[in-house]
Amino acid sequence: QQQVKQSPQSLIVQKGGISIINCAYENTAFDYFPWYQQFPGKGPALLIAIRPDVSEKKEGRFTISFNKSAKQFSLHIMDSQPGDSATYFCAASGSGGGADGLTFGKGTHLIIQP
Amino acid sequence: DAGVTQSPTHLIKTRGQHVTLRCSPISGHKSVSWYQQVLGQGPQFIFQYYEKEERGRGNFPDRFSARQFPNYSSELNVNALLLGDSALYLCASSSGSIRLGEKLFFGSGTQLSVL
Repeated sequence: QQQVKQSPQSLIVQKGGISIINCAYENTAFDYFPWYQQFPGKGPALLIAIRPDVSEKKEGRFTISFNKSAKQFSLHIMDSQPGDSATYFCAASGSGGGADGLTFGKGTHLIIQP
Repeated sequence: DAGVTQSPTHLIKTRGQHVTLRCSPISGHKSVSWYQQVLGQGPQFIFQYYEKEERGRGNFPDRFSARQFPNYSSELNVNALLLGDSALYLCASSSGSIRLGEKLFFGSGTQLSVL
């Protein structure tokens, strides 16, 4: 059972444009929602994270929008640059028991065209 | 400062064999987690250890086991390897609970191929 559904699977955006990636979750016990960026041959790196008591969080060009009632959250990358070309994963944690195990989406392969 | 280091970087094994993967967390980090990433998929949680105790386990068979040592380094062991165990195995560390605001840092992984 996939608990975090991510879309689109791949995305092509022109340089300077806005990249938008969406995720939906099922487990209402989730209380931590990070986004990770992964380059080929590297492990994922944390970009930005949000908790359900906040509807939006912005760090530089990256913004998370969170809709608790719809159980959805999204990543917006403003002024997208070729260096942003990577695979992006949404994730969630908080199923209880004291563990921090993250449930990841399947990823979005983002290409920023110059 | 060194990040999360994993060894080996690549490994080729045969079905039925066992394998041990190693991880050294960032200095000062007491929590270590293991994830399996199959090509084209997101990482899947295997284990979390904190202060040498297992804190969480994902939906993996008992062929997978792990432990954390007094210096907070960790080993992931997989017995009776199957072709489907071929994947990138990622280790991650944090100083505390990520749900309480600590950041999770991943290593570059060990690429395991089972033939």
